[in-house]
Amino acid sequence: RKEVEQDPGPFNVPEGATVAFNCTYSNSASQSFFWYRQDCRKEPKLLMSVYSSGNEDGRFTAQLNRASQYISLLIRDSKLSDSATYLCVVNPSNTGKLIFGQGTTLQVKP
Amino acid sequence: NAGVTQTPKFQVLKTGQSMTLQCAQDMNHNSMYWYRQDPGMGLRLIYYSASEGTTDKGEVPNGYNVSRLNKREFSLRLESAAPSQTSVYFCASARGYTDTQYFGPGTRLTVL
Repeated sequence: RKEVEQDPGPFNVPEGATVAFNCTYSNSASQSFFWYRQDCRKEPKLLMSVYSSGNEDGRFTAQLNRASQYISLLIRDSKLSDSATYLCVVNPSNTGKLIFGQGTTLQVKP
Repeated sequence: NAGVTQTPKFQVLKTGQSMTLQCAQDMNHNSMYWYRQDPGMGLRLIYYSASEGTTDKGEVPNGYNVSRLNKREFSLRLESAAPSQTSVYFCASARGYTDTQYFGPGTRLTVL
């Protein structure tokens, strides 16, 4: 079993749609969690950290369920510019040795 | 600030050749990392340096060496390149272990 698993997609949605991605992780002792965004042939960039209480940043909401060991990302009112690959990232022991999922590709269509 | 810079952007090598990938950051970060990214796989950590003067292996260190030259620079060396090392290589830096990692633009390496 991979340490961090994501559905690779692609998810094809119309503009304005709400879309959700899930990610599961295997190490129950993992300490910190992130969503990164990666545009085609570019470097990953931090989208948001994921906190136990859940957190929101504009149209983006991240949730953490420690009991079930999964992380989610919800995007509301999708824009064309949201088209990218979203990487679920876990820091299992707070050493900075991040574990990346393979990414979920989102295509937002006009 | 340039952030994290990497050179070269692209490189083609023949099997057995050696090369060094350069990475530099101007954010006064303590930690630096080298990852590789292959199709259908997440980024995998090759080596990291928690602070100046220290380096340690990540998930896939075989075939690579690193040098933390100073606080700013962290290089990755392939002594004898193999086709299995064809990949995109990303360098990243962070203030500390639990802080956000910032990535460079990547080096696309092809080994023939």
